[in-house]
Amino acid sequence: QKEVEQNSGPLSVPEGAIASLNCTYSDRGSQSFFWYRQYSGKSPELIMSIYSNGDKEDGRFTAQLNKASQYVSLLIRDSQPSDSATYLCAENTGTASKLTFGTGTRLQVTL
Amino acid sequence: EPEVTQTPSHQVTQMGQEVILRCVPISNHLYFYWYRQILGQKVEFLVSFYNNEISEKSEIFDDQFSVERPDGSNFTLKIRSTKLEDSAMYFCASRDPGGSGSPLHFGNGTRLTVT
Repeated sequence: QKEVEQNSGPLSVPEGAIASLNCTYSDRGSQSFFWYRQYSGKSPELIMSIYSNGDKEDGRFTAQLNKASQYVSLLIRDSQPSDSATYLCAENTGTASKLTFGTGTRLQVTL
Repeated sequence: EPEVTQTPSHQVTQMGQEVILRCVPISNHLYFYWYRQILGQKVEFLVSFYNNEISEKSEIFDDQFSVERPDGSNFTLKIRSTKLEDSAMYFCASRDPGGSGSPLHFGNGTRLTVT
């Protein structure tokens, strides 16, 4: 069974701090990874994708991928209260390139 | 920006009734998906659809479920005889033909409540 594992949280960080969200996956053949943000009662919204080992930066967000360790992370710099949401890690797997999601990590940014 | 649209936003039905959830994927996308999310749980894959046929389905997608692309724009999920445990948020998603690494774009979802 291909799994994506995340700590469910909540992860609480003060406003302006760096939030670090982590994810591990079991399928060594997975090639593409995605971070989605989901507000309560809403649909997943794409934040970033990453395919290669190393870091990828987009504004306040940095995704990190380490295929040897089967580990993906998302850093959010200068966290804002509006970043409070559940962050879903997903891997691309299967012939139809479906995404398999982790359970998500709930982030709370406190004032 | 183009988006995936889903209707209705909320559907209430009685156990045993049939429901059809509707989706209009982004126009140039070729891969279509249904996911569901039971309250408080993870987003779960149901089925993927490409070239007018199911390409993959999960163990959740049993005989009571079916999908159809009746015309060039709509993509539907039918649940033939709803059960209480079908109550969930159902998300439609689509992906462009740009390769397996392109992301899924999700609609706003249909909240299905089975009473």
